[in-house]
Amino acid sequence: DAGVTQSPTHLIKTRGQQVTLRCSPKSGHDTVSWYQQALGQGPQFIFQYYEEEERQRGNFPDRFSGHQFPNYSSELNVNALLLGDSALYLCASSTQGARAAFFGQGTRLTVV
Amino acid sequence: AQRVTQPEKLLSVFKGAPVELKCNYSYSGSPELFWYVQYSRQRLQLLLRHISRESIKGFTADLNKGETSFHLKKPFAQEEDSAMYYCALVYSGNTGKLIFGQGTTLQVKP
Repeated sequence: DAGVTQSPTHLIKTRGQQVTLRCSPKSGHDTVSWYQQALGQGPQFIFQYYEEEERQRGNFPDRFSGHQFPNYSSELNVNALLLGDSALYLCASSTQGARAAFFGQGTRLTVV
Repeated sequence: AQRVTQPEKLLSVFKGAPVELKCNYSYSGSPELFWYVQYSRQRLQLLLRHISRESIKGFTADLNKGETSFHLKKPFAQEEDSAMYYCALVYSGNTGKLIFGQGTTLQVKP
């Protein structure tokens, strides 16, 4: 089991562009959460997907959106990128109802 | 609002010394508390959770509801314990939304 996998590992985008990050959950997991980790900070919850629906959302603007597919994989989309969106984006998976989560290696997004 | 505070950005100790990584939280209900660890070039991984009341790699943590704390302790630090440690909580009635502290870097010197 490869665990939680994320792609790409690194990405550089220009202000105003749009980006899509991808996540495959650990085998047997059906719930995917996304976190943003700015430099020197702890991860901050963006949103959670289960049964292809957004179930919970953190304090992030509508520029951040997501999707979950029938195979439980997920995408995070960010529109109109700002310099402040530069961060490590972490995907975490779990089974519904579980509180502990397994994390991926993250995608390092740099906005220039 | 729920918040997790880790007051130390960096904790540096010598090998064999005791370690205590502090974590305080603000939440009026009954949260579930976790410690996550990130070793160099590795992913964030669960170290322990308070409901398990277990010792992992020699680390223990006790939930003190009166002081709203969940400090991580180890009696004798090892060099391989050097890593970034994050305290996190999930509040009651919720699943999956982890609220993290800012993290503490533990540096164990030989």
